[in-house]
Amino acid sequence: DMKVTQMPRYLIKRMGENVLLECGQDMSHETMYWYRQDPGLGLQLIYISYDVDSNSEGDIPKGYRVSRKKREHFSLILDSAKTNQTSVYFCASSLWDWGGYAEQFFGPGTRLTVL
Amino acid sequence: QQKVQQSPESLIVPEGAMTSLNCTFSDSASQYFAWYRQHSGKAPKALMSIFSNGEKEEGRFTIHLNKASLHFSLHIRDSQPSDSALYLCAVRRNTGNYKYVFGAGTRLKVIA
Repeated sequence: DMKVTQMPRYLIKRMGENVLLECGQDMSHETMYWYRQDPGLGLQLIYISYDVDSNSEGDIPKGYRVSRKKREHFSLILDSAKTNQTSVYFCASSLWDWGGYAEQFFGPGTRLTVL
Repeated sequence: QQKVQQSPESLIVPEGAMTSLNCTFSDSASQYFAWYRQHSGKAPKALMSIFSNGEKEEGRFTIHLNKASLHFSLHIRDSQPSDSALYLCAVRRNTGNYKYVFGAGTRLKVIA
């Protein structure tokens, strides 16, 4: 069963606290992504990972870092969370497409509120 | 920096109508174009993709791509209430960092 999972689904943190969002996939996809989605802004790419320990900044990486130590697992870390990081975070995965097109499979999202 | 814009922002259509959603992009080197659909509170899910100029049909859904005018569209024939969702277009080059850029979305409501 092809699946992308995210934990936790809902999270409330205070400003300045550290946040860890976890993502897993069971499809052996090489490429994984972290996006955030805010009303009126669509999906904005935070980081992309091409494989284990091969990560690249997306369009809005400031305030975030990532870790990928296993192909099936990709973490997003917010060190000292800020209120403007309140958002819905989506993880996605895809096959490496060799410069072609590969469909992205999305997880169910994590709704993060930073107070 | 690639800019992707969608229109309209929102749309209400009666059941059975034809729905047309538009996406314009700024990078003429873009090679891959896709539509994703996101039902309320759910994950985005790939709907259709196209790589060359022209038209592609899958069931009630048709994509048109015109690279020269930096425009592609999604047409839904015989729209159903179950089609009510946020529709996101995505564009990518086939060089560089292989990142997709998404539009802000069109929110579609189909009324029975």
